[in-house]
Amino acid sequence: SQQGEEDPQALSIQEGENATMNCSYKTSINNLQWYRQNSGRGLVHLILIRSNEREKHSGRLRVTLDTSKKSSSLLITASRAADTASYFCATETGTYKYIFGTGTRLKVLA
Amino acid sequence: NAGVMQNPRHLVRRRGQEARLRCSPMKGHSHVYWYRQLPEEGLKFMVYLQKENIIDESGMPKERFSAEFPKEGPSILRIQQVVRGDSAAYFCASSPPRAGSYEQYFGPGTRLTVT
Repeated sequence: SQQGEEDPQALSIQEGENATMNCSYKTSINNLQWYRQNSGRGLVHLILIRSNEREKHSGRLRVTLDTSKKSSSLLITASRAADTASYFCATETGTYKYIFGTGTRLKVLA
Repeated sequence: NAGVMQNPRHLVRRRGQEARLRCSPMKGHSHVYWYRQLPEEGLKFMVYLQKENIIDESGMPKERFSAEFPKEGPSILRIQQVVRGDSAAYFCASSPPRAGSYEQYFGPGTRLTVT
């Protein structure tokens, strides 16, 4: 089964609301990254958080990491229609094989 | 500092043709990784290369797929005699030669469509 599992699989919110998506993983990690992928497009790197960090911010994005629960969350505040995309977490477990989850499909309604 | 470059961004091939996907790593990066993303799925590891060496190809299909990373030039993922099931997005990532660290930086991907 996948190391990274995003939850929920799909999320639909109104513009201006906050969106929270979660990623759980099974084995210990060195770092975890969040990516955005617009439909039919490539990956856009959002944030990298290392295993010794608990929280990082970048603009409207806030990522937390709880290594004791083996989980991470991505919060997008004041969402916009342009945030509509799929969001993936990817874990680096000490080998070079990054493991991606199946993603959360976010839809922001104008 | 340009990021990981991939070309072409979109590639259409008929069944039985060959597909060549190129990846130029970030400057100073000597490690390259290829991943495949099937529709509605996450990325899956295919192969890890260093200059002139294949380190791990455990994620590559046994037949028709090959990868190289020559001393000069980009890394190439080659798919011979493509079939419809090869239609996917192929992503390349690179990392610097830093011991103990595998931070990877991903390119925009090549979307292969087999008709």
